[in-house]
Amino acid sequence: QSVLTQPPSVSAAPGQEVTISCSGRSSNIVSNSVSWYQQLPGTAPKLLIYENDKRPAGISDRFSGSKFGTSATLGITLLQTWDEADYYCASWDNSLSASVFGGGTKLTVL
Amino acid sequence: EVQLVESGGGLVQPGGSLRLSCAASGFTFSHFWMTWVRQAPGKGLEWVASIKEDGSEKFYVDSVKGRFTVSRDNTKNSLHLQMDSLRAEDTAVYYCARDRGENTFDVWGQGTMVTVSS
Repeated sequence: QSVLTQPPSVSAAPGQEVTISCSGRSSNIVSNSVSWYQQLPGTAPKLLIYENDKRPAGISDRFSGSKFGTSATLGITLLQTWDEADYYCASWDNSLSASVFGGGTKLTVL
Repeated sequence: EVQLVESGGGLVQPGGSLRLSCAASGFTFSHFWMTWVRQAPGKGLEWVASIKEDGSEKFYVDSVKGRFTVSRDNTKNSLHLQMDSLRAEDTAVYYCARDRGENTFDVWGQGTMVTVSS
């Protein structure tokens, strides 16, 4: 059971929009920044969003992040088939003195 | 080019030890926290340990405390994970990652596989 809760899977058609939620608590998401990672099959994770809503250089503006209260959300617009991947949120947890990841969400682009 | 390359993975028996290494290049290694993250087969990402720029602070996930030790050599731009008393549940791909702060892991290695089995 992960400290951060994500839906196991989401799906949408090409060209549509999808959101992935990440639910936490006051000791992690409320108090600290959230980052998001994309993991394509058989590859290392890749940073998509950091400090809740910032995109690293080279990341498409189709990806966005937001945070409100105990939850964070990753949004992906204009879905492409190559967006099919696993997506993970992460934050620091003050109570655990540890980084925590969500359980991951598998995105299927139908 | 900013790069992290892990090594040292392999097959080890339960109760055995293994030392992973991560070679960093293309950036000033001593300016960054560094982190180990693992992924068991078919499972999600799990943070394992982090170490401060100068090695003075270290944090571990509860399941490895007392068994794993993270260290670094800033003169050799290298990160290490000493894993002792290994268990079957430690079987995973181990990634090293650069932590730019605020829990942001912006550079990742390709991973090294550790299999704990008799």
